[in-house]
Amino acid sequence: EPEVTQTPSHQVTQMGQEVILRCVPISNHLYFYWYRQILGQKVEFLVSFYNNEISEKSEIFDDQFSVERPDGSNFTLKIRSTKLEDSAMYFCASSGRTNPSGRAEETQYFGPGTRLLVL
Amino acid sequence: LAKTTQPISMDSYEGQEVNITCSHNNIATNDYITWYQQFPSQGPRFIIQGYKTKVTNEVASLFIPADRKSSTLSLPRVSLSDTAVYYCLVAPTGGFKTIFGAGTRLFVKA
Repeated sequence: EPEVTQTPSHQVTQMGQEVILRCVPISNHLYFYWYRQILGQKVEFLVSFYNNEISEKSEIFDDQFSVERPDGSNFTLKIRSTKLEDSAMYFCASSGRTNPSGRAEETQYFGPGTRLLVL
Repeated sequence: LAKTTQPISMDSYEGQEVNITCSHNNIATNDYITWYQQFPSQGPRFIIQGYKTKVTNEVASLFIPADRKSSTLSLPRVSLSDTAVYYCLVAPTGGFKTIFGAGTRLFVKA
């Protein structure tokens, strides 16, 4: 069964450094998402992306964050200058494969996550 | 965005049926109801999705009353490996903002 993949699985960085988290969504999916989950807390929506532009973003997704789909298969999240509070699991998800009847399926499929630790 | 309310935690024993109810009084016409399961340090895993009435798959059943203001996830004959956090989400179609609540922490005992 197709699945969302994410790299790296773990990333340790120094405060103020830039990080890029990578995701390969399920092929033929139309919508892409990034979420984060701080240890012990709930999953938080960051951003959704469709047709090469941001559909919606949360208040967490400030100017330090950006997303890109550089080559039609990868979907990246960049944090320009990391802060201690950016330490979290970051999950990518995709959805919206068109089914045989032509309707976009809405189920979001999540990747395994990247654990980011900012020191 | 529809807000969801679920019990914070539930305990069960192996082999029992578990029903987790979620309230979503402000659900909109174009919102779908989706349940996810999450194990520690893993991404949420899709369990089941529905719009109205009853949906069943190989893992669970989802019961949605006519007014759609609540939904119940039913897990038949749970095992120890079903210990996880279960999230109820309501969201419209097409790549919109999806809000996770705190979820229900299910603990299955032997």
